[in-house]
Amino acid sequence: QVQLVESGGDLVKPGGSLRLSCAASGFTFSNYYMMWIRQAPGKGLEWISYLSSGGTIYNADSVKGRFTISRDNAENSLYLELSSLRAEDTAVYYCAGGGSHYYGMDVWGQGTTVTVSS
Amino acid sequence: DIQMTQSPSSVSASVGDRVTITCRASQGIGTWLVWWQQKPGKAPERLISSASNLQSGVPSRFRGSGFGTDFILTISSLQPEDFATYYCQQTNSFPITFGQGTRLEIK
Repeated sequence: QVQLVESGGDLVKPGGSLRLSCAASGFTFSNYYMMWIRQAPGKGLEWISYLSSGGTIYNADSVKGRFTISRDNAENSLYLELSSLRAEDTAVYYCAGGGSHYYGMDVWGQGTTVTVSS
Repeated sequence: DIQMTQSPSSVSASVGDRVTITCRASQGIGTWLVWWQQKPGKAPERLISSASNLQSGVPSRFRGSGFGTDFILTISSLQPEDFATYYCQQTNSFPITFGQGTRLEIK
């Protein structure tokens, strides 16, 4: 079945780094745009990064210069490199994707938790 | 950036009630508006795309409408499984933005 599975969430100190992964299965990953969305504890949804099937990237201002999205179509995987982490980056991080971003996300992962604390 | 403002932030209702949630965009987005339902501890599920297109498998009691800057999600007869948080999302342009959410609670 169509599935995304995130991994890599952890407890990290402020200023630290982390790499999140998202493994896709059940669909042609290379044809999908992918994005990362996060949700801080008790808060709403925040889009943070987008990577099209053709390689176009957009990032939210809140993570620009600190987070890097990438994909490996051969491995059916999406990644998010997080650096210079701050307490306000604490959140559940979801990967999601679809055929066209205009129609929203067709598939979501279950989320992975990043906690930034000393 | 396009700001999305939902109202109300929370609403209490009973099974069988009709509920409307509004979403206003800070600038025109045509019909590039998606509605999501999220239950605690779960990823969001898409209810409606392109402002009014009901997703496959979503009950017909959910209805979306609107164009430009003003959008409405209507749930015609609340069922117990509808108590959740609802988000609107504009997909017209980057940065993609969500409304702050509307928590639908049981009265």
